[in-house]
Amino acid sequence: SAVISQKPSRDICQRGTSLTIQCQVDSQVTMMFWYRQQPGQSLTLIATANQGSEATYESGFVIDKFPISRPNLTFSTLTVSNMSPEDSSIYLCSVERQGVWNEQFFGPGTRLTVL
Amino acid sequence: AQTVTQSQPEMSVQEAETVTLSCTYDTSESNYYLFWYKQPPSRQMILVIRQEAYKQQNATENRFSVNFQKAAKSFSLKISDSQLGDTAMYFCAFMKHTLNAGANNLFFGTGTRLTVIP
Repeated sequence: SAVISQKPSRDICQRGTSLTIQCQVDSQVTMMFWYRQQPGQSLTLIATANQGSEATYESGFVIDKFPISRPNLTFSTLTVSNMSPEDSSIYLCSVERQGVWNEQFFGPGTRLTVL
Repeated sequence: AQTVTQSQPEMSVQEAETVTLSCTYDTSESNYYLFWYKQPPSRQMILVIRQEAYKQQNATENRFSVNFQKAAKSFSLKISDSQLGDTAMYFCAFMKHTLNAGANNLFFGTGTRLTVIP
């Protein structure tokens, strides 16, 4: 498996501000994924991030709201922009290791509360 | 489109007993993977077990096993000798088979909250 860390682990933010969440992996990975888990709900994929190219967003998610960076093979960031209370969720990153496709390992998540 | 259904929002089991969590899915794909993930209160998603659709043999990992019925599109998880540490949300997930890295989206069910009672 891969060891994945996320920062911050939780945050409380004001409406209209932005928060950047970091995801760090202990080994080089091909793909990184960002998911949202709304309170009491399941996980929904926001976007897929490949190093050196633009992230691919799922239906209902746009780059202006959730810009993603993937500067190298061990790191990615997700920004939640112009936040509203509806953005209150747990945000999780996951990775697909090189040579171990079809299996994803998850970070511990970032719990975001927007007031 | 793929859908994953978990019809049991909550379940409980006595410690040391056996419990089965249900999952059904709908897909037109012939090659795919199925997973059970566990999410304890710490929020960490942990892969419990995976099943390749082309394999007829049911996957087993220690106390965890699955009953995979491809024709019925059913994928249940059996936990034997339940332990207090098994208390968690359990998510069933689907991934279609592809040779392309990064095309492997996971589709999750809504989860089953399992409580192991001492």
